[in-house]
Order: sequence, then C-alpha cells, then structure tokens
Amino acid sequence: QKEVEQNSGPLSVPEGAIASLNCTYSDRVSQSFFWYRQYSGKSPELIMSIYSNGDKEDGRFTAQLNKASQYVSLLIRDSQPSDSATYLCAVNSLRAGGTSYGKLTFGQGTILTVHP
Amino acid sequence: GAGVSQSPSNKVTEKGKDVELRCDPISGHTALYWYRQSLGQGLEFLIYFQGNSAPDKSGLPSDRFSAERTGGSVSTLTIQRTQQEDSAVYLCASSFIFLAGGWDTQYFGPGTRLTVL
Repeated sequence: QKEVEQNSGPLSVPEGAIASLNCTYSDRVSQSFFWYRQYSGKSPELIMSIYSNGDKEDGRFTAQLNKASQYVSLLIRDSQPSDSATYLCAVNSLRAGGTSYGKLTFGQGTILTVHP
Repeated sequence: GAGVSQSPSNKVTEKGKDVELRCDPISGHTALYWYRQSLGQGLEFLIYFQGNSAPDKSGLPSDRFSAERTGGSVSTLTIQRTQQEDSAVYLCASSFIFLAGGWDTQYFGPGTRLTVL
C-alpha cells in the first residue's frame, strides 16, 4: 500500500461546479497535511495546509481532515478553467522524539480539468 | 519577497558526467529539502537539511548522489557519473518555521530539469 494515495484522475468538472479531490494516508502518526497545485511544467505551489480534524476554508478552497479515517480532501467551489492543474496531497509525519524532520510524502497527484 | 531560486533551470549532460545543481532558499529559512520528480514517479524526497547538517538522507537513491549546505543558506546537490535514470526535475524547497509536531510549510523553487543523454 502506498503511503499517500490519490485518484490520478483525470477529474473533469464544468466551470462553476464543485471539484472534490480526495487523499488517504497510511501512517497514523501523520500530523500535517498539505495540498499543492502544480501547473504543467511548473513547481508545486501551496494551496492549503491543515493540522486539525474538521474543515478549513480559504476563499474558494476548503480542506477537510479526518484523522480517524486517515482521510483528507480538498473542495474547490465555483471551479474556474484556471484551476485546471495537478493537485498533490502531501503528508508530514512525526519522527522519533516527537519532532518532525519536515519530510513530505506526496501522493501521485490528481489531474483536474475544468471545462468552460 | 524573493522565493526559492534554483540554477540552472535546465541541464543536459552526457551519461557518466558529473552535475551540480544549486538551490538558494528563502532568506532566513533554516530548513531545506531536495525532491525529485520523474515522469510517472511522482515527487520523491531526497534529503533534508537543518542548518548545515543533514539529519535525513534517506531518500538519496545511490552513493552517486550527495548534497551539502554551507552557511545555513545555499545548497548544492551533486550527481556523479550520471545515468539516464537520473533524468528528472530536481526541486528544492525551504521552510522557516520548524516546530515540534510537524508544522512545516515548504515553499518550492522552480526546479532544475536534468536530462542525461
């Protein structure tokens, strides 16, 4: 089982719709969760970070975390063609001693296409 | 402010040659990370620096790969005797806040695309 799993897609939604991206992780001691957006040929850029169970909203983006189910999701409301990109889920876990080395484990990414 | 910068942006080399990739992190960021992104392989962790030391080198794929960081700032990733399977985009990231519990936010540079012929 991969440490971080995402549906590779492609996920296609019409403009204005809600896009729902999902991610599961296997390491129960994971503490920090991130969603990055990556346009073709570009480097990943941070969209959202979430650390506690529940929802976190930032503009059109909402991240949802459920540690009991080891599940994190990203909702994009009012999707725009400019949202078309690969969305990467990343997880950071505690290491021995309770500190984190910051190593991110990434999922394979979900390709999102928003069509007009 | 200025983001993470990397050089060169593109590097084409012949199999067997050595290459050096450079990363300039965001000013003041104490943590620096190298990742590699290959087609079909996703993003994989290579090495992490805290200051000038590397507490986690677990992702380096072979002893042909090495990295150093000087002055708590610039880092260089060196690949010796390059092989075609080393072709990938090498990404550097840095973070400022390093708190117990993993509250890191990493910001990525533009990457170096390495092609080994």
